[in-house]
Amino acid sequence: KAGVTQTPRYLIKTRGQQVTLSCSPISGHRSVSWYQQTPGQGLQFLFEYFSETQRNKGNFPGRFSGRQFSNSRSEMNVSTLELGDSALYLCASSPDRITEAFFGQGTRLTVV
Amino acid sequence: EDQVTQSPEALRLQEGESSSLNCSYTVSGLRGLFWYRQDPGKGPEFLFTLYSAGEEKEKERLKATLTKKESFLHITAPKPEDSATYLCAVHPSTDKLIFGTGTRLQVFP
Repeated sequence: KAGVTQTPRYLIKTRGQQVTLSCSPISGHRSVSWYQQTPGQGLQFLFEYFSETQRNKGNFPGRFSGRQFSNSRSEMNVSTLELGDSALYLCASSPDRITEAFFGQGTRLTVV
Repeated sequence: EDQVTQSPEALRLQEGESSSLNCSYTVSGLRGLFWYRQDPGKGPEFLFTLYSAGEEKEKERLKATLTKKESFLHITAPKPEDSATYLCAVHPSTDKLIFGTGTRLQVFP
């Protein structure tokens, strides 16, 4: 069974640009959550999608947004990038809402 | 406020030297507690889910236990390949998974 796939694995962007990250969950999983991981803050919850609806949102500015498609694939978008947005962005999927979540390998975003 | 604290931040063990990692939590309505292992540059790997006080789960050299206020991850006779960061996460009634900052474990031969 294929795991959670995140693309791209690495990204370098310039301040002010926007970026879109993609996540394909494990087949049959309907819940997708996104997290930001930095050395200083650890893993921080961004948002959760279930059946194409955002069910929960963390304490991040409106520049961070996401969506989920009918096939459960999800994207997150960060607009007007700041240096502080440099982080490992992780996607996790689970069969239902936040049971055992299985993580992808992450997208390493560097903002210069 | 929901909170998860892991200790110690870092732990160095000799191969075969057993020890325990701690995860203490303050949450409203615990719906589950999870343990993950994370290797550098990779996503967290799921280890265990615990739902109620007194519950225990085992996998190879790892054993997780849960009380009303904390969870322990016991590592018996660790090997160098057990070196990783171990993360604890709780699922409160708000449904926002909250992670601790992890324990970085190094096991030396």
